[in-house]
Amino acid sequence: SQQGEEDPQALSIQEGENATMNCSYKTSINNLQWYRQNSGRGLVHLILIRSNEREKHSGRLRVTLDTSKKSSSLLITASRAADTASYFCATDRSGNTPLVFGKGTRLSVIA
Amino acid sequence: DTGVSQDPRHKITKRGQNVTFRCDPISEHNRLYWYRQTLGQGPEFLTYFQNEAQLEKSRLLSDRFSAERPKGSFSTLEIQRTEQGDSAMYLCASSFILPYNEQFFGPGTRLTVL
Repeated sequence: SQQGEEDPQALSIQEGENATMNCSYKTSINNLQWYRQNSGRGLVHLILIRSNEREKHSGRLRVTLDTSKKSSSLLITASRAADTASYFCATDRSGNTPLVFGKGTRLSVIA
Repeated sequence: DTGVSQDPRHKITKRGQNVTFRCDPISEHNRLYWYRQTLGQGPEFLTYFQNEAQLEKSRLLSDRFSAERPKGSFSTLEIQRTEQGDSAMYLCASSFILPYNEQFFGPGTRLTVL
C-alpha cells in the first residue's frame, strides 16, 4: 500500500512561475525523499530530508518537512519547460527499509 | 555508463507465458530493490536484496514471482504464467546500506501481457 499522498494530483503553470507540491504520510519516518519521473522513464532522486531537519535547499528546489503534521512540501522556483514530469515523495521508516511512494503530482510547465 | 541498467526495456508477451527481467545495479551498491509501477500510480515495493540475500518480499509478490541475485551483483525477476494484471513497469533500484537509503533507479522494463 502507498503511504504518501501528494497534492495536487496535477498542476499546470507557466514557465517562470513557482510550483509547490505537498506530500502527507501516515507513519513515523527516518527520512523523506523526492523523486522526479519523466514520462515512461525511471525515477531520478532529487533531494532527501532527514526527520530532524525542517528545510533543505538544492538549486531551484526547496523542501520542507513538518513531522508533527506528517507533511512535506517541494517548491520548484522559476520553473522551466524541462521541469515537466511527475514528482513523487517517498518515505523511509528507518533508513534501512524499502521506500514507500505516494501517487505523485503531474507537473506541466507551459513555455 | 555506471548507472542502473535494465533489460529488456520493453516486453510483450501472451498470457500464460513466462518472462524474465534483468537488472544490473551500480557496482558498489549492496542493496538492490524491485518495484512495480502501474499507470498513474507511484512505484510499489516488491522485494529487495542485500548482497545475495533476499531480505524482504512484499505481499504483492505472489508465488508466480521469483527474484534472485546469485552473486550479489545483477538480479533477475521472473514471472511465471503471466496474467494481464501483471502488465506494468518493473523498476529496479540500488543503494548503499548506509547512511540514508538514497536509491538510484534504472529506466524500467515495461511489460505488456496480451
